[in-house]
Amino acid sequence: AQSVTQLDSHVSVSEGTPVLLRCNYSSSYSPSLFWYVQHPNKGLQLLLKYTSAATLVKGINGFEAEFKKSETSFHLTKPSAHMSDAAEYFCVVSPPSGNTPLVFGKGTRLSVIA
Amino acid sequence: GAGVSQSPSNKVTEKGKDVELRCDPISGHTALYWYRQSLGQGLEFLIYFQGNSAPDKSGLPSDRFSAERTGGSVSTLTIQRTQQEDSAVYLCASRRQGYSYNEQFFGPGTRLTVL
Repeated sequence: AQSVTQLDSHVSVSEGTPVLLRCNYSSSYSPSLFWYVQHPNKGLQLLLKYTSAATLVKGINGFEAEFKKSETSFHLTKPSAHMSDAAEYFCVVSPPSGNTPLVFGKGTRLSVIA
Repeated sequence: GAGVSQSPSNKVTEKGKDVELRCDPISGHTALYWYRQSLGQGLEFLIYFQGNSAPDKSGLPSDRFSAERTGGSVSTLTIQRTQQEDSAVYLCASRRQGYSYNEQFFGPGTRLTVL
């Protein structure tokens, strides 16, 4: 069985400061991990994915995440927040292959203050 | 190329009516998924298709919910006798066969409001 815990339901940062969105996962095998972003009234967009290659994964819009097996974590970071980063972020886990449904965390709402 | 499309984008219905939600996956994607996103909740898996068959219906919340897929392409999610708790955004995703990881591409969703 797999599960995802996003440790913060809401994170607020000032524009230009770093972003950290925390995610811990549980999986009985080596998982694939994703971060998706959802802007208001928009669909889900893939930010980045970990698929057992490099543990530090770079995504779109300056986001990156590091897979830490020992900590079962996959935290999302960005050095400098932009107003356009304000959105809902979902950490997602999946078995490494196959057609299984994705397992989503409950989401973290990121607010960016000018 | 075109992404996953869903229609209608918004649907308002009265309690007890039936509704049909449509999903057009990316051309060539053989796997198709339906999820539901309720207010304040994460995404909840409903059903998954491989081709036209549905090997996993475990997420359907009740027998009022059904789905079909024809021609390995378009899928329809039907909710009969809608209830207010069915109000949510219904998201469809598709995946290309042959990828070694489970990257799914999402449509914009259908926002269903049951009055």
